[in-house]
Amino acid sequence: DQQVKQNSPSLSVQEGRISILNCDYTNSMFDYFLWYKKYPAEGPTFLISISSIKDKNEDGRFTVFLNKSAKHLSLHIVPSQPGDSAVYFCAASGNQFYFGTGTSLTVIP
Amino acid sequence: NAGVTQTPKFRILKIGQSMTLQCTQDMNHNYMYWYRQDPGMGLKLIYYSVGAGITDKGEVPNGYNVSRSTTEDFPLRLELAAPSQTSVYFCASSPTGPVFNYGYTFGSGTRLTVV
Repeated sequence: DQQVKQNSPSLSVQEGRISILNCDYTNSMFDYFLWYKKYPAEGPTFLISISSIKDKNEDGRFTVFLNKSAKHLSLHIVPSQPGDSAVYFCAASGNQFYFGTGTSLTVIP
Repeated sequence: NAGVTQTPKFRILKIGQSMTLQCTQDMNHNYMYWYRQDPGMGLKLIYYSVGAGITDKGEVPNGYNVSRSTTEDFPLRLELAAPSQTSVYFCASSPTGPVFNYGYTFGSGTRLTVV
């Protein structure tokens, strides 16, 4: 009954290249979607969000795309940097946040 | 500015023991939350509070209790620890409910092992 899924547990990317992290959800009533970044031994920190009325939101090197018909969102990081190495969670909001299982990104120098 | 502070960071409990996980925030946020994260799983909401004196159950409340006597503090109580409660526990806060462009402020977590 996982309402938000991240099917790739891990991803490795060369420094300077694009990182694409994917997330799927099941509930078409979710209002908006967020991405969190988590370093080891720290709590998740908010990264970027998108409303269900938009299909793209950009903040510097980070862009989130939303495809409502496919119930899919993705986070693009361009260019990827070693400091981006972390676990990324997507979350979808209804009356609470529902979190995905996370994708561990490793950016190789 | 400390944000959300959780103590302890690590704890090992024996089956049947009890303990309280502490959570304090200094941002005057009304909403506070307790999540658990099991290996390979997303964060699951245990309990939440929308203000002092008001608490409610999340997705996975069984085996836990909470109280909210002040705006700052939101302790999580485990009465009879079971191996299934082995997890990483995160406390979070927000000024209002789920917020679009802000998200939650999380603490650094408590890693609990029940043996």
